[in-house]
Amino acid sequence: GQNIDQPTEMTATEGAIVQINCTYQTSGFNGLFWYQQHAGEAPTFLSYNVLDGLEEKGRFSSFLSRSKGYSYLLLKELQMKDSASYLCAVRAGIKAAGNKLTFGGGTRVLVKP
Amino acid sequence: EAGVVQSPRYKIIEKKQPVAFWCNPISGHNTLYWYLQNLGQGPELLIRYENEEAVDDSQLPKDRFSAERLKGVDSTLKIQPAELGDSAVYLCASSSGDENEQFFGPGTRLTVL
Repeated sequence: GQNIDQPTEMTATEGAIVQINCTYQTSGFNGLFWYQQHAGEAPTFLSYNVLDGLEEKGRFSSFLSRSKGYSYLLLKELQMKDSASYLCAVRAGIKAAGNKLTFGGGTRVLVKP
Repeated sequence: EAGVVQSPRYKIIEKKQPVAFWCNPISGHNTLYWYLQNLGQGPELLIRYENEEAVDDSQLPKDRFSAERLKGVDSTLKIQPAELGDSAVYLCASSSGDENEQFFGPGTRLTVL
């Protein structure tokens, strides 16, 4: 089975940096995704890691360590519009499971002025 | 390019009534997913289609839930009869293959009274 843990909520100040950690225990691994979800809206894709290391995309970066079952999403130069939930999702490595994503509970980030 | 379309956006029904949700995926996407998302939690997969074939419905409560994707394009998810615990957001997503990023629709928020 899959078990994915991430903090429930984080608060940060506009312009600061926030790091959202995600740990996972899975029966297979074929990639980790981060999605952003504003209240009442659809999750939107932020990043994808399948190899160890850091992927940088503008103000957002995502890191993966497969040996540790660990990822983080780093949000820099926080803006008020970054207030949202951030979902960590792991894709199973079992071919029969296809592209099945298992999501963590999401981390709600509140950016304060 | 149009994204994933879902309707209705909101639905309020009384328990024991039937309800249906409709999803039109991104054009050309052969893989379609239905997820359930409870408040403050991550999405949970209900069923995955490859074209018109349901290839993973292990998490679908088959006593009351059903789904179809007759022509391999749009899909309908039905609940009959609905229970109080079915109140949630029902998300539809699609991808161009089982290895690719999933794009989510805005969801249908169901309230069962």
